[in-house]
Amino acid sequence: GAVVSQHPSRVICKSGTSVKIECRSLDFQATTMFWYRQFPKKSLMLMATSNEGSKATYEQGVEKDKFLINHASLTLSTLTVTSAHPEDSSFYICSARDRPPSGTDTQYFGPGTRLTVL
Amino acid sequence: QKEVEQDPGPLSVPEGAIVSLNCTYSNSAFQYFMWYRQYSRKGPELLMYTYSSGNKEDGRFTAQVDKSSKYISLFIRDSQPSDSATYLCAMSATRAQKLVFGQGTRLTINP
Repeated sequence: GAVVSQHPSRVICKSGTSVKIECRSLDFQATTMFWYRQFPKKSLMLMATSNEGSKATYEQGVEKDKFLINHASLTLSTLTVTSAHPEDSSFYICSARDRPPSGTDTQYFGPGTRLTVL
Repeated sequence: QKEVEQDPGPLSVPEGAIVSLNCTYSNSAFQYFMWYRQYSRKGPELLMYTYSSGNKEDGRFTAQVDKSSKYISLFIRDSQPSDSATYLCAMSATRAQKLVFGQGTRLTINP
C-alpha cells in the first residue's frame, strides 16, 4: 500500500525557534498533501492543503506566516512552524493523496510528528 | 451543529464481541466515506473506503452507508485486543475535496 513518512517523529525546541517538519510520499507521487494538527483525545484539524508548485491553501484561523508550507516536489511537502511558542505544542500529521490513473485518489497519512515547545 | 457527529466513547467490549461504530452527518452532498484506525501516538491508517450507499466487507470489517438516513457504520467481527484504537470516520463530497472527520471513538477490546 501507499506509504507516507514524516521526519522528525518527535522534536523538542525552545520558545522562539523555528521547526521544520518533512512529509514524503515514498512510493507514489502526490500532487496534493494535507497538514493536520491533533490535540490529545481530539480529532484531526485540517490546517492547510498543499499543492505541488503552488501556494498552500490555509483553513480559516490558521496563520499562514506562522505555519509556512512548501510543496516543492511531487513527493515532498514541508511545514515550518516559525517562532514557536508553547501553545504550538501538538501532534502534527500530514497526508498525501495518490491520484489516478496510478492511484485511487485516497488520502494516506504519515505517522505524525510530536512537537513540544518549552 | 457539527457536519459529522461521532460518539467519542470510550467503548470497552470483551474479546470476540461484535463492535458497532457509527457516525451521522448533516451534509447530503457527502458521497465518499472512509474509516481510519489510529493507534496511540501514530498517524491514522485507512481501513475502509466506500462510495455512496451500500455495504463493503473486508475480512472482519464491514462498512455500511445509509445515505437516506445520513448514517454510516463500521462493524468489527471477532474483535481482538489488537483492534484497540481510536476509530475515525471521514467523508467528502467529491474525491478532490478535503475530508471532514468525526471526533473519533476510542475502543478497547478486553482479553
